[in-house]
Amino acid sequence: AQKITQTQPGMFVQEKEAVTLDCTYDTSDPSYGLFWYKQPSSGEMIFLIYQGSYDQQNATEGRYSLNFQKARKSANLVISASQLGDSAMYFCAMREGIHNNDMRFGAGTRLTVKP
Amino acid sequence: GAVVSQHPSRVICKSGTSVKIECRSLDFQATTMFWYRQFPKQSLMLMATSNEGSKATYEQGVEKDKFLINHASLTLSTLTVTSAHPEDSSFYICSAKGTGAQPQHFGDGTRLSIL
Repeated sequence: AQKITQTQPGMFVQEKEAVTLDCTYDTSDPSYGLFWYKQPSSGEMIFLIYQGSYDQQNATEGRYSLNFQKARKSANLVISASQLGDSAMYFCAMREGIHNNDMRFGAGTRLTVKP
Repeated sequence: GAVVSQHPSRVICKSGTSVKIECRSLDFQATTMFWYRQFPKQSLMLMATSNEGSKATYEQGVEKDKFLINHASLTLSTLTVTSAHPEDSSFYICSAKGTGAQPQHFGDGTRLSIL
């Protein structure tokens, strides 16, 4: 069963505007971590932001913030003041449990920032 | 930040050749390393997880005799694609993490093309 769902295959945003990339997840484990990665066309995976299931506050890292709604099991990424360099694939990922190490990825969302 | 080096970045070789890909954590001890495969326009699919000094755990459907993984030290893991065929052509990405709730840090990937 799909544990990480990204329903937006592609998104467009105007430069300098904010954009929200959706991610929902499914787990019965009370302890888990949620991650967002950026993958430009060159292929490397760039870590953006992390949210732990017990974290009380939404994670923020510069222009990135994670809108964590635990009851809804959603972990949307918000990018503020979009830049042309933000155009890339964005993957949401989850790691379940305390001891389980592996991470599962969503299908990804291709973000295009328009000038 | 944590750095993971993956080499080579691109390989083109004939069918039947075995190809070795190296993944090194440069500034931290990687207790766990992961190997992913990514086909064009698709997400990352976990192939196997390896802990230093022990045998790798392969995901369902991944042939362990074809994709040999060695994690001999806390800074190096290798993936050998044995007797590669055109259907093995893909983007292979390694990642590494230390202990605890840390994000995975990815290498830049290896684009493998089998002719």
